[in-house]
Amino acid sequence: AQSVTQLGSHVSVSEGALVLLRCNYSSSVPPYLFWYVQYPNQGLQLLLKYTTGATLVKGINGFEAEFKKSETSFHLTKPSAHMSDAAEYFCAVTPNQAGTALIFGKGTTLSVSS
Amino acid sequence: DAGVIQSPRHEVTEMGQEVTLRCKPISGHDYLFWYRQTMMRGLELLIYFNNNVPIDDSGMPEDRFSAKMPNASFSTLKIQPSEPRDSAVYFCASRDSGSGRNNEQFFGPGTRLTVL
Repeated sequence: AQSVTQLGSHVSVSEGALVLLRCNYSSSVPPYLFWYVQYPNQGLQLLLKYTTGATLVKGINGFEAEFKKSETSFHLTKPSAHMSDAAEYFCAVTPNQAGTALIFGKGTTLSVSS
Repeated sequence: DAGVIQSPRHEVTEMGQEVTLRCKPISGHDYLFWYRQTMMRGLELLIYFNNNVPIDDSGMPEDRFSAKMPNASFSTLKIQPSEPRDSAVYFCASRDSGSGRNNEQFFGPGTRLTVL
């Protein structure tokens, strides 16, 4: 079975500071991993994903994440936060198999102060 | 492409009433998912379909909930009778298994349901 744990339901940073949102997963088979972002009153939008190959994945809006199999982690980072990054972020996992659904973490709300 | 379309965007109803939420997936997508989002439980998968056939409905909370997909371009999620604890945002998502996008799902804007 697959599961996702996002450490910290709320993260606050200053504008220009490093953003680090943590995600750990469990999976009995090689996983696909995703980060989605949800802006207020909107649906979820894909930020980035890891499937196979390079373990450092770059996404939209300057975000990136690194798949670390030994640590079962897929943490999301951005070197310099912008006010527009304030949103809720979801990590998700699915087995490396066709025909399966995403399992989402509880989400982390990112606040950015000026 | 218009993306995943959900209607209505907001629904306010009274306890005991029937509620029907609608979803139009992205054309050509063969998977459709229904999720519920609440503060307490986060984002929960309710049910998903493949080629209009329900594959896994283990997330449907109880018999008051039902979902159908009569054709490839339309799905409904029905709650009858509705209760205040059903208040949540309901998301529909779709996926194209043949596109090589590796299980990426595309989400609709959601329906915010309030049951009074």
